[in-house]
Amino acid sequence: DIVMTQTPLSLSVTPGQPASISCKSSQSLLNSYGKTYLYWYLQKPGQSPQVLIYEVSSRFSGVSDRFSGSGSGTDFTLKISRVEAEDVGVYYCMQGAHFPTFGQGTRVEIK
Amino acid sequence: EVQLVESGGDLVQPGGSLRLSCTASGFTFSSTWMTWVRQAPGKGLEWVANIKQDGSEKNYVDSVKGRFTISRENAKNSLYLQMNSLRADDTAVYYCAMGWGIMGWGQGTLVTVSS
Repeated sequence: DIVMTQTPLSLSVTPGQPASISCKSSQSLLNSYGKTYLYWYLQKPGQSPQVLIYEVSSRFSGVSDRFSGSGSGTDFTLKISRVEAEDVGVYYCMQGAHFPTFGQGTRVEIK
Repeated sequence: EVQLVESGGDLVQPGGSLRLSCTASGFTFSSTWMTWVRQAPGKGLEWVANIKQDGSEKNYVDSVKGRFTISRENAKNSLYLQMNSLRADDTAVYYCAMGWGIMGWGQGTLVTVSS
């Protein structure tokens, strides 16, 4: 199984400040067709998860451009350029290169 | 707009069975891998199983192999999860999800395994 490791596990951010979450996989997520199946989700309190980013850096429809994804191989990052109150929740990365596995989640709160 | 509506969650005794259902709309169900993901109370997300478009390939996390069966009925835009020999550690919210790489989520249905 591919193990996904997120850091940090919690983050307290002042509104308007940037935030960054790292996700590392135990093996490369690049497949033979040149695609990398790395996803980011946000689970707001009391809700089901929602898609933010797919295939490393593509923003899902309707997602704010304050969110961006980057990385390659085994190292990936989700960045929020300016955190807002509505960004509170738990962020998960997930790999789809093999049977899907999730990171442990990163809890983001507002200072 | 993608809509996934789960049903069937309940309180069940250890060793019992339950069948979850998911009705999909807003996308071409028959052309899409489908997935079940679960979340134990206060815990993270865990992939449970997925199924190919025509049902010819099914994959499971090790902890449910031999106990859970995923299936689908494309004519009804429906996904199912038959859960047998349920254990306390199967207690979770079960989400129906669209795709191998998940691109849509249902609201979830709660399964509680307890005596």
